[in-house]
Amino acid sequence: AQSVTQLDSHVSVSEGTPVLLRCNYSSSYSPSLFWYVQHPNKGLQLLLKYTSAATLVKGINGFEAEFKKSETSFHLTKPSAHMSDAAEYFCVVSSFSGGYNKLIFGAGTRLAVHP
Amino acid sequence: GAVVSQHPSRVICKSGTSVKIECRSLDFQATTMFWYRQFPKQSLMLMATSNEGSKATYEQGVEKDKFLINHASLTLSTLTVTSAHPEDSSFYICSASTGRETSTDTQYFGPGTRLTVL
Repeated sequence: AQSVTQLDSHVSVSEGTPVLLRCNYSSSYSPSLFWYVQHPNKGLQLLLKYTSAATLVKGINGFEAEFKKSETSFHLTKPSAHMSDAAEYFCVVSSFSGGYNKLIFGAGTRLAVHP
Repeated sequence: GAVVSQHPSRVICKSGTSVKIECRSLDFQATTMFWYRQFPKQSLMLMATSNEGSKATYEQGVEKDKFLINHASLTLSTLTVTSAHPEDSSFYICSASTGRETSTDTQYFGPGTRLTVL
């Protein structure tokens, strides 16, 4: 069965410093992995997705994530945090079962950005 | 592109009444739509998956008679919470995708509906 574990429930950074949000996955086959962001009162937005092509995936708003099979990790990074990055971030693995592509969400990491 | 809307954004109802939530794909045809539930400060839990014109597939532990799902067209799915009780209060989120054939299909999410049952 597929699952994801987000290692930090809260991350706090200063504006302009790097962001690292950690995610480990468990999958019985080559997974599809996603990062979504949820701003208050807004829908979830796809930041990036890994689908077995390049292991370094670039997303929107300067975010990127690296798929490391040996470490079963898919950590999300950004070189320089902006205040607008403060939100909830979800690492997600796709599970294709019963004829449907189901998303399995991690518990989420709340990112706070301080001036 | 790939916009999904939900209506209403917020609803308050009395215990025992039924509430209908609509999910629409505005600029694409959604072969498959998904309904999730999110409790405060928690992650999203998949409730059910539906294909246009067919019965929804419910996840284990989700009461199909309690949460009625209708996917009547390629742009509209509805979730009806029947005989709502306070424990049904939650944030309900829908998503839509264009296909179901591969694990790489992207799901596009609606903004969510906050249901409060008094």
